[in-house]
Amino acid sequence: DIQMTQSPSSLSASVGDRVSITCRASQSISSYLNWYQQIPGKAPKLLIYAASSLQSGVPLRFRGSGSGTDFTLTISSLQPEDFATYYCQQSFSTPRTFGQGTNVDIK
Amino acid sequence: EVQLVESGGGLVQPGGSLRLSCAASAFTFSSYSMNWVRQAPGKGLEWVSYISTSSSTIYYADSVKGRFTISRDNAKNSLYLQMNSLRAEDTAVYYCARDGSSWTSSTPGRIYYFDYWGQGTLVTVSS
Repeated sequence: DIQMTQSPSSLSASVGDRVSITCRASQSISSYLNWYQQIPGKAPKLLIYAASSLQSGVPLRFRGSGSGTDFTLTISSLQPEDFATYYCQQSFSTPRTFGQGTNVDIK
Repeated sequence: EVQLVESGGGLVQPGGSLRLSCAASAFTFSSYSMNWVRQAPGKGLEWVSYISTSSSTIYYADSVKGRFTISRDNAKNSLYLQMNSLRAEDTAVYYCARDGSSWTSSTPGRIYYFDYWGQGTLVTVSS
C-alpha cells in the first residue's frame, strides 16, 4: 500500500495568512493526488484533483502543486471559513489511501 | 443537486451485523462507481470499499475483507454495505462517496476522486 504523510499535523494561523500543507507519498504517484477539506461535523469536500486542478466552485485562493512524491496545498489568504482539517489522498492505486490530516485552526 | 443519504447506522454488539444503505439522487446513479469511506471518532479518513457501475469490479480494504460486502441496486439508485462480524475498531462514521473522474494534462490516464459525499451514518460497536 502507498503511505501518505502530511506535514504539519496541525498549524495555527490568522485570517489573511498564507498557509502551506505538504503531502508526501511513499512511492511515485505521478499527479494522482487529491485534496479534501473537512469542517468539524461535516462530510469531506473535494478541493483539488490531479494535484493542481481546482474543483468547480472552489475559491481561487486554494492552489495545489507537485508531482511524483511531493505535493503542496497552499491557501493564499486564509479566510474564516477555511479553518478545517485538510486531507491528501492518492488515487494511483488501490487501496486509495489518505494522509493523516492537517488541522488548521485560529491563532 | 447531487444528493447521497446514508442510513442504517446504530449501536451493535461485537460480532453482530449491520446493513448500511446510501440513497442517491439527482444524477444517473448507474453511470458512476461508488465507494464507502469511514472515519473513526477523532481520527482520519479510511477508504473501505469500491464497486463499479455494473458491480463487476469490487475492492475492499484489508481491514474489512471477508467481513463486509458492498453491493448496489441501480434500479433503486442505492448503494449498500453489509457488515458482519463487527469489531470495536469498526466504530466510525461511514460515508458513501461518488467516484468522479477526469482526463487531465497532468496525469497519463484518467484520475479518480470522491467528488460527492453523503452526510454519514454512525456505527458504534460496543457491548
